[in-house]
Amino acid sequence: SYVLTQPPSVSVAPGQTARITCGGNNIGSKSVHWYQQKPGQAPVVVVYDDSDRPSGSPERFSGSNSGNTATLTISRVEAGDEADYYCHVWDSRSDHMVFGGGTKVTVL
Amino acid sequence: HLQLQESGPGLVKPSETLSLTCTVSGGSIYSSSYHWGWIRQPPGKGLEWIGSIYYSGTTFYNSSLRSRVTISADTSKNQFSLKLRSVTAADTAVYYCARAGFMATTLNWLDPWGRGTLVTVSS
Repeated sequence: SYVLTQPPSVSVAPGQTARITCGGNNIGSKSVHWYQQKPGQAPVVVVYDDSDRPSGSPERFSGSNSGNTATLTISRVEAGDEADYYCHVWDSRSDHMVFGGGTKVTVL
Repeated sequence: HLQLQESGPGLVKPSETLSLTCTVSGGSIYSSSYHWGWIRQPPGKGLEWIGSIYYSGTTFYNSSLRSRVTISADTSKNQFSLKLRSVTAADTAVYYCARAGFMATTLNWLDPWGRGTLVTVSS
């Protein structure tokens, strides 16, 4: 089965840039979606199709995907960005939706 | 705008069947553009996809749960449902329903999500 690997945690100072990676075999050939989940809330998509942002997602959120790694970048980090972030792909070989293990972003 | 709402018992006994319903408002589940899915999250853990259903009745299931799961839809009520049989404590989780875009053979991002409902498996 297809596996997505994320770092368990990332710490970043306010105003700096946070980068969250999502590793998978040839993930660059898939469309990657990213979700933000704050405590007690449902996940919300912040980037879809590698690098597109839904309406309501701040421009500070951007994504890239190439080779074996996809990356969610949060620029000019704010305290309100503290949350868990999950990457997600559709594996067409197995017809399965796959999530990464999640990364907890802590704003110092 | 589209909203999803999960409903069902918050407590299920071991070996019994967990049954949840997702009611969709602000749009129809009878659409060729979307799949309607279930995702769960054990307390303090990550997201796990359970499965999804298309308006035609076509389903996709997580192979790790396939033997115990049935997802069905009632287009007349604009609802879709989850049944998980023979539950154990390991099935304790927040269960979410969500919509996924569908194109060709690919399910896309999940949006929107329901608020989730906690189901505890305990005697």
